[in-house]
Order: sequence, then C-alpha cells, then structure tokens
Amino acid sequence: SQTIHQWPATLVQPVGSPLSLECTVEGTSNPNLYWYRQAAGRGLQLLFYSVGIGQISSEVPQNLSASRPQDRQFILSSKKLLLSDSGFYLCAWSVGPGNQPQHFGDGTRLSIL
Amino acid sequence: EDKVVQSPLSLVVHEGDTVTLNCSYEVTNFRSLLWYKQEKKAPTFLFMLTSSGIEKKSGRLSSILDKKELSSILNITATQTGDSAIYLCAVEVGAQKLVFGQGTRLTINP
Repeated sequence: SQTIHQWPATLVQPVGSPLSLECTVEGTSNPNLYWYRQAAGRGLQLLFYSVGIGQISSEVPQNLSASRPQDRQFILSSKKLLLSDSGFYLCAWSVGPGNQPQHFGDGTRLSIL
Repeated sequence: EDKVVQSPLSLVVHEGDTVTLNCSYEVTNFRSLLWYKQEKKAPTFLFMLTSSGIEKKSGRLSSILDKKELSSILNITATQTGDSAIYLCAVEVGAQKLVFGQGTRLTINP
C-alpha cells in the first residue's frame, strides 16, 4: 500500500533563515505531488504541484519554491523566511490525470519567530 | 476566481444527533467534489462525487452532489465523539488542482 512521509513534524525558524521541508511517497510510481499551506482556521491553499521529475507548477507567487529531484520526492524550500510563511504545510499525492483523490501526509507545523 | 464556501463554519451538537454540512462552489471547470475529515494532522479522504444526485455512503456518513445548485451536503447520523473534526470540502478544477473551502469545525459533546 502507498504511504507518504513528511518531515519534520514541527519546526521553529527565525525570520530570514532558509527552509527545506521534505516529502516522500512509497508504494507507487510517478505520482502527482502537491504542497499545500493551511493558515490557522482556514482551508488548504495549493502552493505547488508536480506531475513528474523536474516538472513544477506554481499556483501562488511567493517566497517559496519547490523541487522534485526524484520520482517520489518533493521538497519545499525558501532562501529567506518571512513571518507570513508561518503555517501548516501539507504534502499530498495522487495518481492519474484527474478524478482521483489526493492523499495527505501528516504535515509540518512551521512557526517563524 | 474559483471559490468554495462551506457552512456552517462551526457546529456543536450532542452525541447521537444528526448533522448536515454544506458546501457550495463557483468554479470555471468542475471535475469532481471531494470531502475530507481532518482531526489533528493529515486530512483523510471521505468521498469523491462526480455525478449529480447519486448518494455515496460509508457507515453513518453520506454525501450527495447537486450540480444544478452547485452544492453538496455531507450528512452524519447518530454522531459520536470520534466524529469531532474539521470537515473540508474541495472541488477539482483541472487535472491536478483542488480548491478547498474554509472547513466546518464539528464538535460532538457527550
């Protein structure tokens, strides 16, 4: 069966520091991969998605970037964090071109001080 | 701009009650509507709806889509404390894009 791993679970970083959050999927090949952010009390906002290695689509221009160096690995990065980057970051995967549910990892709670 | 709106935003009921959660949408390219349950961390998938009027059911939970009214409801009967969670509605608007509503925070009191 498929599993998705995200780490770290929580992270506290100072403003201006870099960021790297990692997500890996097991048990499936060529998944679609997604990064979402969930602000407190709000729904999920899609940040990036990827349909294959090296293919990244950005939904919201901002201080973050994403990379997919391997088929089942998705990385969210920032060179310099802002206070507004605080939130709950969720990675998700799905298979196929559409009409398939996305499945989520346990998330990373990021606090910027 | 694609938009998904859920109501109510918050709901508190007693164990054993039946609840109905609402989701309405305005999107340009509807493909499907999904419901998720989020307790502490990862949202877990409940239902995917693509056809109007066909009820999907899983135990005490059921959901139906009305494409004419651009809406969906999620029903939970005989609620239990374990049903307490945030329920998220999302609409697929393209091959890979989900637009989420704000969620409904459901609290079941014993």
